[in-house]
Amino acid sequence: AQKITQTQPGMFVQEKEAVTLDCTYDTSDQSYGLFWYKQPSSGEMIFLIYQGSYDEQNATEGRYSLNFQKARKSANLVISASQLGDSAMYFCAMTPLWGYQKVTFGTGTKLQVIP
Amino acid sequence: DSGVTQTPKHLITATGQRVTLRCSPRSGDLSVYWYQQSLDQGLQFLIQYYNGEERAKGNILERFSAQQFPDLHSELNLSSLELGDSALYFCASSAVTSGEAPSTDTQYFGPGTRLTVL
Repeated sequence: AQKITQTQPGMFVQEKEAVTLDCTYDTSDQSYGLFWYKQPSSGEMIFLIYQGSYDEQNATEGRYSLNFQKARKSANLVISASQLGDSAMYFCAMTPLWGYQKVTFGTGTKLQVIP
Repeated sequence: DSGVTQTPKHLITATGQRVTLRCSPRSGDLSVYWYQQSLDQGLQFLIQYYNGEERAKGNILERFSAQQFPDLHSELNLSSLELGDSALYFCASSAVTSGEAPSTDTQYFGPGTRLTVL
């Protein structure tokens, strides 16, 4: 069974500052993928970034980077130079890479960017 | 725009009724997933189809059923609706997975259908 834990229900960050959203996971799978999704108030789920458990380098996508620490089972999302449009719910998720992709989501972190 | 479409966007119905939610995956994607997002349960995986066949089942109630058609669109049928079924229902699609090889495919979500049961 897989489990994702996001311990920060809500966070504030000043515009233009960097922010780290925490995610820890638990799984018995040897190969797995970790994802972050953004859900603005409009409701859609937007894919942000992906990290494979076998990837040696941390994933980056523009202002998003994933701080992957396999031994600690953490996959924190770092958003650099926060913008007002970054205010949203952020979900960490994981899936095994073998077998059918049953995705497990965390409970989310609500990020608010302050001007 | 993810390329995944869902209709209708909003649905209001009464308890005991039956509704059908429709999803069209991104062009070329063979896998379709359904999720339910409610305030108390968070985002829950319901079911996955791959090229017309059911491949994985999550926390899907017996009152709910789904199918994927030859043209790869999918429908989620919800029957004997209860107040607690009010939620945002998402469809997502990805290019695979057959389940026979490791896959890093990302799931892309549709805009969701907001179901309100009165």
